[in-house]
Amino acid sequence: DIQMTQSPSTLSASVGDRVTITCRASQTISSWLAWYQQTPGRAPKLLIYKASTLERGVPSRFSGSGSGTEFTLTISSLQPDDFATYYCQQYSSYPWTFGQGTKVDVK
Amino acid sequence: QVQLVESGGGVVQPGRSLRLSCVVSGFTFSDYGMQWVRQAPGEGLEWVALISYDGTKSYYKDSVKGRFIISRDNSKNTLYLQMNSPRAEDTAVYYCAKEENDHWGQGTLVTVTS
Repeated sequence: DIQMTQSPSTLSASVGDRVTITCRASQTISSWLAWYQQTPGRAPKLLIYKASTLERGVPSRFSGSGSGTEFTLTISSLQPDDFATYYCQQYSSYPWTFGQGTKVDVK
Repeated sequence: QVQLVESGGGVVQPGRSLRLSCVVSGFTFSDYGMQWVRQAPGEGLEWVALISYDGTKSYYKDSVKGRFIISRDNSKNTLYLQMNSPRAEDTAVYYCAKEENDHWGQGTLVTVTS
């Protein structure tokens, strides 16, 4: 199975901060990577697919980059609605796998 | 609008069976692969299984292979997860989602306990 490792596990930030989350795959996954946002009690929300393509309706302050084994999710200016947990997921090969999550909380 | 509505969750004893359902509306169900993803209480997301658009191919996480069966009825716009011989570690909220990951249900809680 492909292991996905996110860092950091927790990130404390303030509104307006630039935030970067990293996701590393244990083997190459090309650009078959998605990013999700999840708030407590809610289903995950797709933010980015194919490593860098913004899902329709997602604010442009979210961006994704990378290919192969190393990927990043960047929030250019953190907004109050962005305090949440973020997950990466590889869909290059079965079984699909998620990172362990990065919780973005208030500094 | 797109809706995915899961049902069938509840409390089940280890070794018994439970079937989850996911009724879909708002898109052409038979055109898309579908999947189940779960989340244990306080934990992260875990992919469980996926079925192709026509039901001819399915894929599973190793720990559920041989115990869970994913299936679909395209005439009823419904996805299923048959959970046989559930274990305590299968306790989770189970979400159904499109293969493209762009639409998810609200989840149904399964608790496996004696």
